[in-house]
Amino acid sequence: DTAVSQTPKYLVTQMGNDKSIKCEQNLGHDTMYWYKQDSKKFLKIMFSYNNKELIINETVPNRFSPKSPDKAHLNLHINSLELGDSAVYFCASSQSPELRETQYFGPGTRLLVL
Amino acid sequence: LAKTTQPISMDSYEGQEVNITCSHNNIATNDYITWYQQFPSQGPRFIIQGYKTKVTNEVASLFIPADRKSSTLSLPRVSLSDTAVYYCLLRTGANNLFFGTGTRLTVIP
Repeated sequence: DTAVSQTPKYLVTQMGNDKSIKCEQNLGHDTMYWYKQDSKKFLKIMFSYNNKELIINETVPNRFSPKSPDKAHLNLHINSLELGDSAVYFCASSQSPELRETQYFGPGTRLLVL
Repeated sequence: LAKTTQPISMDSYEGQEVNITCSHNNIATNDYITWYQQFPSQGPRFIIQGYKTKVTNEVASLFIPADRKSSTLSLPRVSLSDTAVYYCLLRTGANNLFFGTGTRLTVIP
């Protein structure tokens, strides 16, 4: 069983479209994250939820809206996609937001905006 | 604002010990230092975490000097399958997570 799964794995779309990426974890963790990895492989935190509550909201355009329907899911909706949104988006989870907790990452969603 | 600095790339022959150093001059008292490994087309995978001195697990060792302004990941006797990007992560408080730029390790036969 995959611990942290994301769908879709690949997403190719046109500028201006709206798209969603889904993430699910079956580890029983309370905390989930979204990261963006750019072409230079630099990983940057976007959002974090703990028990469905937003606890980290980095400087991200408000076209990006996370939603956590329950502790096991954290979805990312992106409005009016732009070329610069092309990247790999990783979902992750941890038992809690405490510093010593290990984060477990999903396989990533490769988004290409044309 | 980058919180950590690592070498961009390193090469090593199979069977050698590899040491990757990460600088974090502005580390705070409550920060933990975590290292992740990432293979192409996969998510990062946890390797090791420490706060001070030395930590060892079945995969690697982590050395942290007394001032904690740097840390060194040590991989004993690397194999070809250790070729990957290694990230130094500085967890600065509950609401700030900074990944370094990563070190691309290439293991040569």
